[in-house]
Amino acid sequence: QKEVEQDPGPLSVPEGAIVSLNCTYSNSAFQYFMWYRQYSRKGPELLMYTYSSGNKEDGRFTAQVDKSSKYISLFIRDSQPSDSATYLCAMSAGQGGSEKLVFGKGTKLTVNP
Amino acid sequence: DTEVTQTPKHLVMGMTNKKSLKCEQHMGHRAMYWYKQKAKKPPELMFVYSYEKLSINESVPSRFSPECPNSSLLNLHLHALQPEDSALYLCASSQARDTSRPNSPLHFGNGTRLTVT
Repeated sequence: QKEVEQDPGPLSVPEGAIVSLNCTYSNSAFQYFMWYRQYSRKGPELLMYTYSSGNKEDGRFTAQVDKSSKYISLFIRDSQPSDSATYLCAMSAGQGGSEKLVFGKGTKLTVNP
Repeated sequence: DTEVTQTPKHLVMGMTNKKSLKCEQHMGHRAMYWYKQKAKKPPELMFVYSYEKLSINESVPSRFSPECPNSSLLNLHLHALQPEDSALYLCASSQARDTSRPNSPLHFGNGTRLTVT
């Protein structure tokens, strides 16, 4: 079993839809959870950063972490064509800085106008 | 635009060439990273520098040689590369491990797209 599992998609939705992206993991030591958005030919851009379990909201984006189920989610409300990108989940056991991030494979999302 | 700047954006080199990739950040971060990303794959860690000292080398071949001249700069020297080394090379930075700040995720640059011919 891989440390982090993420469905690579592709996922195609109409504009305005609610998008749900998910990752599961096996390492119970993971405490820090991130979602990155990567546009074609660009570097990953940090979207959300959460510690331990719970929800975090930022505009149209909500990140959820359920450590008991080893499951994290990213919800995008009112999706826009500009949200079309690859979304990578990432996690680490440490507090960042010299810590090894473990990435999911990424989910390619297309939002159709 | 990101706060981590990488140059050049694109690089084509032959297998006998020597070239260098450069990365700069001015966020006061003391940990800097090199990642390699192949098409449709997640980034793979290559090297980590913490306080200008190499702290992680993920068994990267010696044809890749990292250098951290100061806290803001990170270089990756390339020599005798193979065509399979063609990829997007990403630099990232973050707060170092032993700071008290709780929020220290990695911030990536936009990468150098390297083609080895």
